[in-house]
Amino acid sequence: NAGVTQTPKFQVLKTGQSMTLQCAQDMNHNSMYWYRQDPGMGLRLIYYSASEGTTDKGEVPNGYNVSRLNKREFSLRLESAAPSQTSVYFCASRGGYSNTGELFFGEGSRLTVL
Amino acid sequence: QKEVEQDPGPLSVPEGAIVSLNCTYSNSAFQYFMWYRQYSRKGPELLMYTYSSGNKEDGRFTAQVDKSSKYISLFIRDSQPSDSATYLCAMSEGGNNRLAFGKGNQVVVIP
Repeated sequence: NAGVTQTPKFQVLKTGQSMTLQCAQDMNHNSMYWYRQDPGMGLRLIYYSASEGTTDKGEVPNGYNVSRLNKREFSLRLESAAPSQTSVYFCASRGGYSNTGELFFGEGSRLTVL
Repeated sequence: QKEVEQDPGPLSVPEGAIVSLNCTYSNSAFQYFMWYRQYSRKGPELLMYTYSSGNKEDGRFTAQVDKSSKYISLFIRDSQPSDSATYLCAMSEGGNNRLAFGKGNQVVVIP
């Protein structure tokens, strides 16, 4: 059981380049989330999808777009990367048949923007 | 005032000591309280889960919730080097509501 899988694990971009972070979960969860984690700032919610076909902004959505491709997959796109987007990005999911509200996280994608 | 306050200062303790971590919060509607553990270069994993007020014990770990004071705590007894990690508190109003996270405490247990 893979849980939440994120790709890539590491990426280096130049300012202005674009890229997409991929996330897939195999737990039949309804909700999926993208967070960024920075030193001293904790986890901050970028976007979330409460169910297939819906997406909503979190607290730090500027500079990002998301796509809920199907129930399993939720991608995060940086259209024009900036150094301020250097961070560790975590995808998470929750919900399903035994919903305790627990978030299940992926292992993270470490992005550096030069 | 942030919704969840957790002093992010690192904590170093000798092996076998008791580790005490806490968070305060401002939203009285929070009912679900969690502690996540995050090892270096890994994603957070749920460690303890408590609904409403009271204590919950799981092995060497005890979670306490005091809703009247809007204060939650995590205690680690007989700490081990394998407990070295960042601990994040999290809370929500309901099972499907968004989680509010604290900034996390880095704990180092020295052998």
